[in-house]
Amino acid sequence: DVKVTQSSRYLVKRTGEKVFLECVQDMDHENMFWYRQDPGLGLRLIYFSYDVKMKEKGDIPEGYSVSREKKERFSLILESASTNQTSMYLCASSLEGEQGAYGYTFGSGTRLTVV
Amino acid sequence: GEDVEQSLFLSVREGDSSVINCTYTDSSSTYLYWYKQEPGAGLQLLTYIFSNMDMKQDQRLTVLLNKKDKHLSLRIADTQTGDSAIYFCAVRDQKVTFGTGTKLQVIP
Repeated sequence: DVKVTQSSRYLVKRTGEKVFLECVQDMDHENMFWYRQDPGLGLRLIYFSYDVKMKEKGDIPEGYSVSREKKERFSLILESASTNQTSMYLCASSLEGEQGAYGYTFGSGTRLTVV
Repeated sequence: GEDVEQSLFLSVREGDSSVINCTYTDSSSTYLYWYKQEPGAGLQLLTYIFSNMDMKQDQRLTVLLNKKDKHLSLRIADTQTGDSAIYFCAVRDQKVTFGTGTKLQVIP
């Protein structure tokens, strides 16, 4: 069964800490995405990547960075965590081009609490 | 940019039909999707429709697209308690934009 795996389901971090959220997919997908989900706001795109070592800013990149050193792994980094980054973080992947139009595969999410 | 709007909450009785609505602003959207999110889980793709289609049926699910009004709906026939979840509409043009999600509560 193909899937997207996020390394942690729940994380609690302190303000100012550097936080790494890891995502691995086993489908050989070219595209990978990081979203955050907040009640009443839906999903907002933080960063995405269409290839190894490539990254593009999404709609809300401030306070975040990403790394994609291998095709299957896409990491989200919170350089200095703040309480307003408390959220559910969702990783997704898809094929490129028109085949990618058939939808995304999502991980189970990481619920991050910053205290 | 694209705006995708959904009502936040819908409550139905088990066995009834559920209709979840979505409106969007970009008429050049090419693919439109419905995702389901169960509690504590990620999103699962339920179905999608191309913009050149008006309707798509898949077992208990029926998707209707009104391009003129930029309105997408998801009908779930014979709603079951296992259908309780948040349902997200998403539309794709140059990128994919998700709606705010509709929480469906099924009352036994």
